[in-house]
Amino acid sequence: DVKVTQSSRYLVKRTGEKVFLECVQDMDHENMFWYRQDPGLGLRLIYFSYDVKMKEKGDIPEGYSVSREKKERFSLILESASTNQTSMYLCASSVEQYEKLFFGSGTQLSVL
Amino acid sequence: LAKTTQPISMDSYEGQEVNITCSHNNIATNDYITWYQQFPSQGPRFIIQGYKTKVTNEVASLFIPADRKSSTLSLPRVSLSDTAVYYCLARNTPLVFGKGTRLSVIA
Repeated sequence: DVKVTQSSRYLVKRTGEKVFLECVQDMDHENMFWYRQDPGLGLRLIYFSYDVKMKEKGDIPEGYSVSREKKERFSLILESASTNQTSMYLCASSVEQYEKLFFGSGTQLSVL
Repeated sequence: LAKTTQPISMDSYEGQEVNITCSHNNIATNDYITWYQQFPSQGPRFIIQGYKTKVTNEVASLFIPADRKSSTLSLPRVSLSDTAVYYCLARNTPLVFGKGTRLSVIA
């Protein structure tokens, strides 16, 4: 069965810390995505990647960066965490660029 | 990019059929319509995808009229476990989720 694994379910960090959110998929999917979800705002796309070492900005990339050194792993990096980055972060992958997305369970990040 | 519009929320009693309509006026010729379901504290889950007419699977049916400017997700005989947020996406905006429709099923 398809599996997208996010490294942490809950994470608490302090303002200014560098934060790494890891996502691994076991389906050999080309495409991987990072979203954040906030109450009343739905899911918003942060970054996505259609190939190894490739990345594209989504709707809200400010304050974030990503890394994709291997096909199965897509990391989201908060260079200097701020309180407004407290959110649920969801990783997803897909075979084709616009095909069915498979989501991880999410990481609830709290920045204090 | 095709933008989708769907109701913010809906309520239903257990055992009823629920229809959630989504409008996508600017849908392109080769776009598909896809629906996702999201339970609290989980990532969205793919439900169904279609291009035209009707598609049915074990979870839901999807009705798409000839002009494809809207689509309707139909959930037969809902139960409490169908309480979730349902998202409609047109294929060329698969990366963009709206706010979805929050369905509450009441006993």
